[in-house]
Amino acid sequence: DTEVTQTPKHLVMGMTNKKSLKCEQHMGHRAMYWYKQKAKKPPELMFVYSYEKLSINESVPSRFSPECPNSSLLNLHLHALQPEDSALYLCASSQDKAGNQPQHFGDGTRLSIL
Amino acid sequence: EDQVTQSPEALRLQEGESSSLNCSYTVSGLRGLFWYRQDPGKGPEFLFTLYSAGEEKEKERLKATITKKESFLHITAPKPEDSATYLCAVRLRMDSSYKLIFGSGTRLLVRP
Repeated sequence: DTEVTQTPKHLVMGMTNKKSLKCEQHMGHRAMYWYKQKAKKPPELMFVYSYEKLSINESVPSRFSPECPNSSLLNLHLHALQPEDSALYLCASSQDKAGNQPQHFGDGTRLSIL
Repeated sequence: EDQVTQSPEALRLQEGESSSLNCSYTVSGLRGLFWYRQDPGKGPEFLFTLYSAGEEKEKERLKATITKKESFLHITAPKPEDSATYLCAVRLRMDSSYKLIFGSGTRLLVRP
């Protein structure tokens, strides 16, 4: 079991739907991350939040909208996604963005766009 | 351009047959190299952090080493439960923050 919890584990949605992915950690970490991972590929960074503020946006399309309501929660709001957005979406956290501590990952949400 | 390359892409071993996985990198401003293990349908699980050439870390049958241009993950007498994809990642400075760049991974299969 990981200490980063992601819900839902699986999500199927149409291209016109709006849905949200949720991530929660209770390790007191102040940096949180969203990654996208396609099959047999490494994770690719999407967003970094540090102390609840957006720190890095890797030129992600606006149909992905991150939100960090507090230090324990991270959301990813989805709207008007494309079939190529089907992937495993991973959340991670670390002590802070500049520290030497590793990132700890959740088990992801497997997203399928019809 | 910052780059992380892992080899081999896939590796099949018999139980007890030791081997090494390679992670080579060409980056500016390395701020740590991380090894992760990923099982199918799961998120990456942290194994080791290495910071400077000559450093070594060990955990059970795994040992990680690093030079100025590459890192190795040595697997001694592997068991079938060591079968997984092993990812290395380098941490780079980016403006006022840091990011991880992952290699493409080595898929390890250990046969009984």
